[in-house]
Formats: sequence, C-alpha cells, structure tokens
Amino acid sequence: GEDVEQSLFLSVREGDSSVINCTYTDSSSTYLYWYKQEPGAGLQLLTYIFSNMDMKQDQRLTVLLNKKDKHLSLRIADTQTGDSAIYFCAETPSGNTGKLIFGQGTTLQVKP
Amino acid sequence: GAGVSQSPRYKVTKRGQDVALRCDPISGHVSLYWYRQALGQGPEFLTYFNYEAQQDKSGLPNDRFSAERPEGSISTLTIQRTEQRDSAMYRCASSLGQSNQPQHFGDGTRLSIL
Repeated sequence: GEDVEQSLFLSVREGDSSVINCTYTDSSSTYLYWYKQEPGAGLQLLTYIFSNMDMKQDQRLTVLLNKKDKHLSLRIADTQTGDSAIYFCAETPSGNTGKLIFGQGTTLQVKP
Repeated sequence: GAGVSQSPRYKVTKRGQDVALRCDPISGHVSLYWYRQALGQGPEFLTYFNYEAQQDKSGLPNDRFSAERPEGSISTLTIQRTEQRDSAMYRCASSLGQSNQPQHFGDGTRLSIL
C-alpha cells in the first residue's frame, strides 16, 4: 500500500540544525518531495530527489535518501524563525499516475 | 510570473448547495491536479488531468464530486449537494506534464459547509 509517515512536531533553537524525518512504503517511488506550508499560504515546493540519488544539497537544505530503509530526511542548517512552518514529505507511487502521496506534516517551531 | 491561481479563496455555503471551485494553472503546464486537505492532515489526491483528458479520478470520494478541464487550461471542481463533511481546503497544482515533473500548488480554496 501507499503510506507516508512523519513525526508531528519538532522544536529547535534559532541557529541550530533541524532534521525532519519521513518514511514511505512504496519501494518503487521514483521521486520524493519536500513541501513547506506557512500559515494561510499554499504549499511551496522546497526540493525533491530522484530515487537513484542518496543526497541532494541546495543552500541550507540537505536531503538524504536511504532507499533500503525507505527513509527520507530534510536537514535545515542554521534554522531561522522564518523556517517555522509545516513540512510535508511526499512520494510519487509506482505506475506513473502523477499523484502525490503526502505525509501528515511535521510542524517545525523555531525558538529565538 | 503568475503561479497557480485558485478562486474563490474562501467559500461558505449551506448544506445541500452546489459549489464550483476554479483553478487556473501555470501557463504552459500540461498536467493539473486536485487535492483535498483536512485540518491537521496532508493533502489527499482527488483527480488529475493531462491537457483536457481526466487521467485518474480514483480519489474522488463519491459521485457528488466531479471535475472538468474542457480546453486543457482552467479546471473546475464541482461538488453537488454539499455536506458538512465536505468542509476542507481544496488545493490545485499544475506541472509541466512529463512524468514526475514537480507539482506547483496554488493557495487553495477554504470551503466551509454550514
């Protein structure tokens, strides 16, 4: 079946690194995504990784993919108060249906 | 450049009424997706189109829900005889259309059924 799991809440201090974790069930997923949702706003695409990659870095963001364990993580370096938001992990299940399967979202709280 | 535009931003209606939610995708995007997001949850897939063809409607909860994209651009999601359980945020996304091209979302329509 298709399922994506995330921890619900993470609190860090400004300047620390944040690591948000996600597990998924479909081993045939080709792409995995991270989206950010701020209050009252839409879903903003942060980054994505192809399943044949282990790591992708984009400025303060690092995505790590462990395909064997079906585990995805998003690391935010030097976390700022503006990073406070809900972060969603999403996968594209096998079959090229185009749809995304989202996790429940992780609320990141950044304390000054 | 313009992103995905959804209207209205907020819709409040009485139970039993029909509602139509509109999505205007990014210009040139072939694929268009509809999702529904309940409070505290991630978005759940409803349906998607390539051009004007509805490719997958497996996520539509029942036959009160329908969607169209007659000219391969703007799409309308229609809910007939609304019920309170239909209250949610309805999100639209578009992508360039090739498999696994990233989806870009609009700000959503918050639907409240009284």
